[in-house]
Amino acid sequence: ILNVEQSPQSLHVQEGDSTNFTCSFPSSNFYALHWYRWETAKSPEALFVMTLNGDEKKKGRISATLNTKEGYSYLYIKGSQPEDSATYLCAPILTGGGNKLTFGTGTQLKVEL
Amino acid sequence: DAMVIQNPRYQVTQFGKPVTLSCSQTLNHNVMYWYQQKSSQAPKLLFHYYDKDFNNEADTPDNFQSRRPNTSFCFLDIRSPGLGDAAMYLCATSSLGRGRFADTQYFGPGTRLTVL
Repeated sequence: ILNVEQSPQSLHVQEGDSTNFTCSFPSSNFYALHWYRWETAKSPEALFVMTLNGDEKKKGRISATLNTKEGYSYLYIKGSQPEDSATYLCAPILTGGGNKLTFGTGTQLKVEL
Repeated sequence: DAMVIQNPRYQVTQFGKPVTLSCSQTLNHNVMYWYQQKSSQAPKLLFHYYDKDFNNEADTPDNFQSRRPNTSFCFLDIRSPGLGDAAMYLCATSSLGRGRFADTQYFGPGTRLTVL
């Protein structure tokens, strides 16, 4: 069983704050890592697929970094807006783990006015 | 817009009464997945179809079955739902070469199953 941990479990920030959260995973046999955003009552939406150590990806105010050697990825949101409120899920893929996404429990972000 | 559709969005069933959840896609993707997410837990893969090839996860209970009659549709059948099967069920699709799991998965909005 692969141990994927996301922290914090939940986060409340004010509009305009920048925030970040962490996804930790076993560093051996790394293949790829997915980030998804899941707004209430909507479909989980793909944010990033990251494969290389040192990868940095950006989509608007959201960016992510990847460290495969130490087994973590950070997701950053700059200038949070209420529409950023969602659960952010990470899912690494490890070779030997059936080549499937293994999701963390997510970080639930609420951005308040 | 091309998308992954799940019906119904909310399903209530009685203990032991068979239930079927539906997923359809207009993306023409060759792979379809079913995930189960229980409250406060991570989504967990139940099984997936690579074209017509069914791939069951080792720890998926026999109570859960799936059918894929064509590229567009996939069904999740729960033969005798127990209280522990109450969860959100997510369908996803991707367009993959065999073994290439790094590609993005496209999700439906899920079906929330309640078992009374």
